[in-house]
Order: sequence, then C-alpha cells, then structure tokens
Amino acid sequence: EAQVTQNPRYLITVTGKKLTVTCSQNMNHEYMSWYRQDPGLGLRQIYYSMNVEVTDKGDVPEGYKVSRKEKRNFPLILESPSPNQTSLYFCASSGGGAMYYGYTFGSGTRLTVV
Amino acid sequence: AQSVTQLDSHVSVSEGTPVLLRCNYSSSYSPSLFWYVQHPNKGLQLLLKYTSAATLVKGINGFEAEFKKSETSFHLTKPSAHMSDAAEYFCVVSESNAGNMLTFGGGTRLMVKP
Repeated sequence: EAQVTQNPRYLITVTGKKLTVTCSQNMNHEYMSWYRQDPGLGLRQIYYSMNVEVTDKGDVPEGYKVSRKEKRNFPLILESPSPNQTSLYFCASSGGGAMYYGYTFGSGTRLTVV
Repeated sequence: AQSVTQLDSHVSVSEGTPVLLRCNYSSSYSPSLFWYVQHPNKGLQLLLKYTSAATLVKGINGFEAEFKKSETSFHLTKPSAHMSDAAEYFCVVSESNAGNMLTFGGGTRLMVKP
C-alpha cells in the first residue's frame, strides 16, 4: 500500500531534550515536506526537500532541522524542544510536484513539550 | 505571495441538505488549488484539485468546486450532506513560483446534524 509513515504517533517530552520524528514513504517520491498544524492556523510548512541532499526552509523553520540522506526518509529533528513547539506534525510527499498533484500525508505526530 | 482565506471557521448543516464551504485565494501567478479533508484523529486526504484545466472540478464522495478567477474563489459544494462528511476541510493554494509550497487556509469544521 502506498503510504507515508510517521513515528511516533504521540510523544510527550521535556523542554530541551533532543528528539527525532521519523518519516518514510514507499512511493519513490522526490518531494517531501514537514508541516505543523495549530488550531485556527491551518497547516504551515516547516521544511521541504526536492530530492536527496536538497532541503529548504518553509514558513516556520526556527527550532527545527531536517536531513534527506535517502530518498524515502525525511526525519524532523528538534535539537532543543520548547513548549511553543507543542503541535500536530505531518509529513507529506509528492511525486510530480505539489503544485500539480498535491501531497500524500502521513497520519500525524502529536507532540507535547512540557 | 499566495494566501488563502476560508470565510467560515464552522459550518453546520442538516443531513440531506446542501453543503457550501467558502474559500478565497490570493495569488500573483497562475495558481493550483486543492481541497483536503481531515477526519478526527486522521491525516489529510485530497478531495479534489484544480490545475488550470476545467474550472468545475469533481472530487471524491460527491464533492465539487468551481474555480472563479474573477472572484478569486474556489468554493466547495455538495448537493446532499451525509453524516460521514463531518470533518475539517482545508482550502490550499500553490503557485508556479512557490516551488512545492502549499499554503493552507485556517480550516472549516463541518458539522452534520441528523
């Protein structure tokens, strides 16, 4: 089944403790992206990647890092999480360009930073 | 720069009555427009997309949307609501100079009364 898989689904952590949210897609897509969802704000793009070793900032990149060493994987790294990063995170991928095909989204990771 | 405004944060309809979810966009270039649906505790699913072909776009589950350039609108409609349509709906824009960035509206929560 074609899908985007995120792990974990739920995570509670403490301020300052580094964490990684993994994302993997099995569709051989070039484009991958991370979004955060907050009430009333819709989804906002954190980072995106157009291919292996090619990444760029989205609208809200502060406090996040990403890497794209393999085509299928696009982990999101929070080096020193803070409570304002408590949010619902989505990973997404697209094969032919998001403008024409949209994205396929993962099921989400709900992160709470205390 | 691209932006999206969903005019209603909440819409409530009775089962069997029409659904109208309103969306206005702003784009400096030829945009692509999408509607996504998010059911509770689920990821986002693509409902339909407009990418400069026919202005009336049909999607899944009986939904359709009409691209009106003169009004910069892309409203989502369905002739008859079903209980299973209760969810949050996002209008999304992407324009040709924005790479693969999708800009989301704030979302409209659709409630369907029996």
